[in-house]
Amino acid sequence: SQQGEEDPQALSIQEGENATMNCSYKTSINNLQWYRQNSGRGLVHLILIRSNEREKHSGRLRVTLDTSKKSSSLLITASRAADTASYFCANLSGNTGKLIFGQGTTLQVKP
Amino acid sequence: EPEVTQTPSHQVTQMGQEVILRCVPISNHLYFYWYRQILGQKVEFLVSFYNNEISEKSEIFDDQFSVERPDGSNFTLKIRSTKLEDSAMYFCASSVWGEAYFGPGTRLTVL
Repeated sequence: SQQGEEDPQALSIQEGENATMNCSYKTSINNLQWYRQNSGRGLVHLILIRSNEREKHSGRLRVTLDTSKKSSSLLITASRAADTASYFCANLSGNTGKLIFGQGTTLQVKP
Repeated sequence: EPEVTQTPSHQVTQMGQEVILRCVPISNHLYFYWYRQILGQKVEFLVSFYNNEISEKSEIFDDQFSVERPDGSNFTLKIRSTKLEDSAMYFCASSVWGEAYFGPGTRLTVL
């Protein structure tokens, strides 16, 4: 299956703490992307990490990629209540650019 | 910053009716996609479109679905005879290659 698996499915932390979400695939990872979705809203592109990269930073976001384990992690440092959302990983699949999404992690940051 | 737009934001229809969901992709993008997300579930790929034709479609994208890019700017998804199980958020996305940007979605409710 190309389906992405994410864990944890739900995460609840206090403001200021770090949040780590993990994503794994059974197929090879290419140009893995992370998206945020606020409840009932659209998908906001956060960061893309290419298959030849191991780590990437963007502001408070840090993404790592382990192609041998076919897995990626998203770390949000110094979380804020506004980070409360669902986070999805998405793997580029095939030669048409389609994305295979993970199940998502629902993050709640308590003020 | 350029963005993908979608109309309408919410569409309510009766079972068996035809609906057309509209999208305006980012102007210099070449690849166009439709995805759907049933409430509380993961985002699923429907179809990819490149060079004025479908490049890939999923099992979900059966004969009741069709896509068009009628005028070089709009990108539409038509559902010919809606079913209850078509109720979902439908997202349009566009990309140059790999890094996909999503619209805010159309919530389709089939009664």
